[in-house]
Amino acid sequence: GNSVTQMEGPVTLSEEAFLTINCTYTATGYPSLFWYVQYPGEGLQLLLKATKADDKGSNKGFEATYRKETTSFHLEKGSVQVSDSAVYFCALSVWDTGRRALTFGSGTRLQVQP
Amino acid sequence: NAGVTQTPKFQVLKTGQSMTLQCAQDMNHEYMSWYRQDPGMGLRLIHYSVGAGITDQGEVPNGYNVSRSTTEDFPLRLLSAAPSQTSVYFCASSSRQGLNSPLHFGNGTRLTVT
Repeated sequence: GNSVTQMEGPVTLSEEAFLTINCTYTATGYPSLFWYVQYPGEGLQLLLKATKADDKGSNKGFEATYRKETTSFHLEKGSVQVSDSAVYFCALSVWDTGRRALTFGSGTRLQVQP
Repeated sequence: NAGVTQTPKFQVLKTGQSMTLQCAQDMNHEYMSWYRQDPGMGLRLIHYSVGAGITDQGEVPNGYNVSRSTTEDFPLRLLSAAPSQTSVYFCASSSRQGLNSPLHFGNGTRLTVT
């Protein structure tokens, strides 16, 4: 089956620290990979995506590289801000028995302190 | 720029009561879906629709009904509420059921069943 595993949180960092949130996956086919972010009281919104091996998705200073050999899609940011405090979800999308199967990780809460 | 609109934001039900969670999108998206979000479990798909008049079950459909009479609206009905249905519910849409089409989420409905 399909699954996404994320590091457990919360992750607590000081402002301007380097961020890594690990994500690994298993998939029945060749997936597209996503990171979504959820701010308090809101729905999820797309942060970045990558659709094939070695692609790098980037947005708002965040980056993630699609690593097929290690089945990983780790999220990184060089210098976090207080406004980055949110829950981050890794997700994959793959065709499964004729329909799109979207699988989300359990989410990682990031807390950035000033 | 309304996007995906969910109502109500909060709801408290007694066991056995029924209700409808409303979802509307103004982006002319073909694909709409309902998820529930529970702590430590990520998002789980309840039902989805690939177009008006077409619905299908997701991962956790029991106790829920949906219909899609228009492109814009995709209501979720709880037939007889149970405490196990206490959760945060998200409606999400995408332009089509493509692997690379990101989901657009509403802000959620927090449901408590007592």
